[in-house]
Amino acid sequence: QVQLQQSGPRLVKPSQTLSLTCVISGDSVSSKSGAWSWIRQSPSRGLEWLGRTFYRSRWSTDYAVSVRSRIVINPDTSKNQFSLQLNSVTPEDTAVYYCADQDFHHWSQGTPVTVSS
Amino acid sequence: QSVLTQPPSTSGTPGQRVTISCSGSSSNIGNNAVNWYQQLPGTAPKLLIHNNNQRPSGVPDRFSGSRSGTSASLAISGLQSEDEADYYCAAWDGSLSNWLFGGGTKLTVL
Repeated sequence: QVQLQQSGPRLVKPSQTLSLTCVISGDSVSSKSGAWSWIRQSPSRGLEWLGRTFYRSRWSTDYAVSVRSRIVINPDTSKNQFSLQLNSVTPEDTAVYYCADQDFHHWSQGTPVTVSS
Repeated sequence: QSVLTQPPSTSGTPGQRVTISCSGSSSNIGNNAVNWYQQLPGTAPKLLIHNNNQRPSGVPDRFSGSRSGTSASLAISGLQSEDEADYYCAAWDGSLSNWLFGGGTKLTVL
């Protein structure tokens, strides 16, 4: 059974970088049939997919058009985890952030992140 | 505004059958599988249907999914009070190389 445990700060100041980590158990971040996504949810934007990382013969990423210029998702094979960095945040980035696996079969518990000074 | 369009709300009485629609385009639903998720208040979404009509282990067969052209539907039969939740559709969009979610449908069991 895949389990995803995320961690990171719940308060980020405007213009700074939001950083979250998702630890995987029950599967491998390097799985050649897997993909690992970040998703957020807010009352104004609903559920919004942010991006994913996956390994086939090499590592690849896909990013949502809405955040493409300021997002980085990285795998960490040594710790079997992946991370989210969202740069230059504004109050519009306030949301509950989730990590999820291939086709979003399994989700983390979610972290509410507030962008405020 | 979501690219996948769902009705904001629907309702039904216990035992009734309800359906929730999800409308997209040829770049998403028309050519890629649709998943459905149930979200209870304060919890993460839960996968109900994947690959248009497949139920993960543990999901009651009261829940079923279908896809036709650029639209998909989730049907819930034998409605129960615990089915009261928000429901979301999702599909990969090949033109955007993005996953898309519907805006969600709030189901009320009267």
